[in-house]
Amino acid sequence: GAGVSQSPSNKVTEKGKDVELRCDPISGHTALYWYRQSLGQGLEFLIYFQGNSAPDKSGLPSDRFSAERTGGSVSTLTIQRTQQEDSAVYLCASSLLAGVSGEQFFGPGTRLTVL
Amino acid sequence: GNSVTQMEGPVTLSEEAFLTINCTYTATGYPSLFWYVQYPGEGLQLLLKATKADDKGSNKGFEATYRKETTSFHLEKGSVQVSDSAVYFCALSIVGNAGNMLTFGGGTRLMVKP
Repeated sequence: GAGVSQSPSNKVTEKGKDVELRCDPISGHTALYWYRQSLGQGLEFLIYFQGNSAPDKSGLPSDRFSAERTGGSVSTLTIQRTQQEDSAVYLCASSLLAGVSGEQFFGPGTRLTVL
Repeated sequence: GNSVTQMEGPVTLSEEAFLTINCTYTATGYPSLFWYVQYPGEGLQLLLKATKADDKGSNKGFEATYRKETTSFHLEKGSVQVSDSAVYFCALSIVGNAGNMLTFGGGTRLMVKP
């Protein structure tokens, strides 16, 4: 079956521009996570959605970052006024249920380069 | 807070050598422990997991045992292959902490030479 998909696979933008990154989780997965993989910080959690509930935003690094999840499925991560330190690979993961020690399935990531 | 520390790489081995990648953790709570692998050009994949003390996770010849007394989850394989060349991430999650958010170690690159 289809896995987690993300688009675009690569995004190059200029400093100060806004970007939107998309994640399509595995159908039926209620939990969705965004992570960031960067050279300086490693892999770090950004935000978590469970169904249609309010997200846990505790990992977002600044108020320039926001995310939404429409209809409990597709999610969009938005970065406003991008900075060079935002350059990283942004990973999305989904799992069937939260609250159990289940497997998170990761997408291929979006590589963001801010010039 | 929660954290995971794993040995820095790269680790370079010859084919059929024994592999150990050390991983220790700090957690405020009772974590589940994971090893994820990232093959070149591919996404993160779950390699194995353990959810309670003394559990052993195993997959593809890799093993790791959840050691609560030493807060460790070291990854081992008896005989590595060239195809095992990848970056390995140790991680933990605690139920109820942002769902099941994963806290990752820094990753260890393994290079296996023929």
